[in-house]
Amino acid sequence: QVQLVESGGGVVQPGRSLRLSCAASGFTFSSYGMHWVRQAPGKGLEWVAVISYDGSNKYYADSVKGRFTISRDNSKNTLYLQMNSLRAEDTAVYYCAKDSTDDYGDYVPLGYWGQGTLVTVSS
Amino acid sequence: EIVMTQSPATLSVSPGERATLSCRASQSVSSNLAWYQQKPGQAPRLLIYGASTRATGIPARFSGSGSGTEFTLTISSLQSEDFAVYYCQQYNNWGPWTFGQGTKVEIK
Repeated sequence: QVQLVESGGGVVQPGRSLRLSCAASGFTFSSYGMHWVRQAPGKGLEWVAVISYDGSNKYYADSVKGRFTISRDNSKNTLYLQMNSLRAEDTAVYYCAKDSTDDYGDYVPLGYWGQGTLVTVSS
Repeated sequence: EIVMTQSPATLSVSPGERATLSCRASQSVSSNLAWYQQKPGQAPRLLIYGASTRATGIPARFSGSGSGTEFTLTISSLQSEDFAVYYCQQYNNWGPWTFGQGTKVEIK
């Protein structure tokens, strides 16, 4: 079965960096686009970034553009999020999520999610 | 960026009753609209994609409709496990994806 396991969260000071990882299993990782979505404490969902199946295309939310970098290592079945110049407003649970297609070949967004990893930006 | 607006913010419904949630896009997203359910302490779960297609394993009491800028999620007869927060999300074009602010469905 599909499993997505995030790691790398923790407490970090403003202005510092952190790298999150998402280990994938149970599917052909190199065939699917992957996303990061975050949720600040008590708030709603915010889409952060997406990377295509082969890493050739990436897109970011305006709130993280220029500070965060999404990447993947298909040989290791792992998705990453490099977060630089962290701010207090980046405090959130970060989820990785997987795209897929249905039996008709239609795109299915964010059908599988990890359990999330908490990032706290505080001095 | 396409802005998604959900209404109401909170919906109070009795078990067994029908719940109707709305989502409006600031510009057309065609049928590129998904709905997610999130319970406290859990990751979101995909319910509906393509505006009206139920995801695998989702009960038939959940249905989605709409296209363009106006969308609806209907839960035909609320069960105890359906009390949660529901988010809509547009995925028109390849990024950026955006979520609505959520509708909390609570027990009346």
